[in-house]
Amino acid sequence: EVVMTQSPATLSVSPGERATLSCRASQSVSSNLAWYQQKPGQAPRLLIYGASTRATGIPARFSGSGSGTEFTLTISSLQSEDFAVYYCQQYGNWPPQTFGQGTKVEIK
Amino acid sequence: EVQLLESGGGLVQPGGSLRLSCATSGFTFSSYGMGWVRQAPGKGLEWVSAISGSGDYTWYADSVKGRFTISRDNSKNTLYAQMSSLRAEDTAIYYCAKYSGDQVPRYWYFDLWGRGTQATVSS
Repeated sequence: EVVMTQSPATLSVSPGERATLSCRASQSVSSNLAWYQQKPGQAPRLLIYGASTRATGIPARFSGSGSGTEFTLTISSLQSEDFAVYYCQQYGNWPPQTFGQGTKVEIK
Repeated sequence: EVQLLESGGGLVQPGGSLRLSCATSGFTFSSYGMGWVRQAPGKGLEWVSAISGSGDYTWYADSVKGRFTISRDNSKNTLYAQMSSLRAEDTAIYYCAKYSGDQVPRYWYFDLWGRGTQATVSS
């Protein structure tokens, strides 16, 4: 099983600042990595797939990078609606597909 | 509009069973793999099961293997999860999710999620 580890667990950021979230895989998943955003009481929403491709309708302030075992999600200028929990998921080596434990982005 | 709507959750005693359904619309259901993901209270996301577009292939997390069965009815555009021998640790919101495709190799990610249905296992 590929173990996904996200850091940090919580990120405190002021509106307008940049946020950088990390995700590490225990073995290579190539570029088969997705990022999801989840707000309280809501279902997750796809942000990024293929490690760096934004999903339909996702603002350009969200960007993904990395391949192999190291991945990053960057939010260039945090808006109020971006405060949420973010999960990475690998789909390169499954079953099982595996998620990271999540990074909560909170208002500083 | 593409929609996924789960139903069938509820309160069940340990050892009991539940059948979840996910009614879909707005896309060619049989052309996409589908899956179930759960989220225990205050916890992260856990992949549970997946099924190919034809229904010929299924996959399960070790935590539910032998107790859960995923299936689909392509004539009704509906996904199912039959859950049996339920345990307290199965308590979670269960999300139905649409995969990005049905192609091989199976580099599938979830591009659409339902709102979820709550399953609670307690005496």
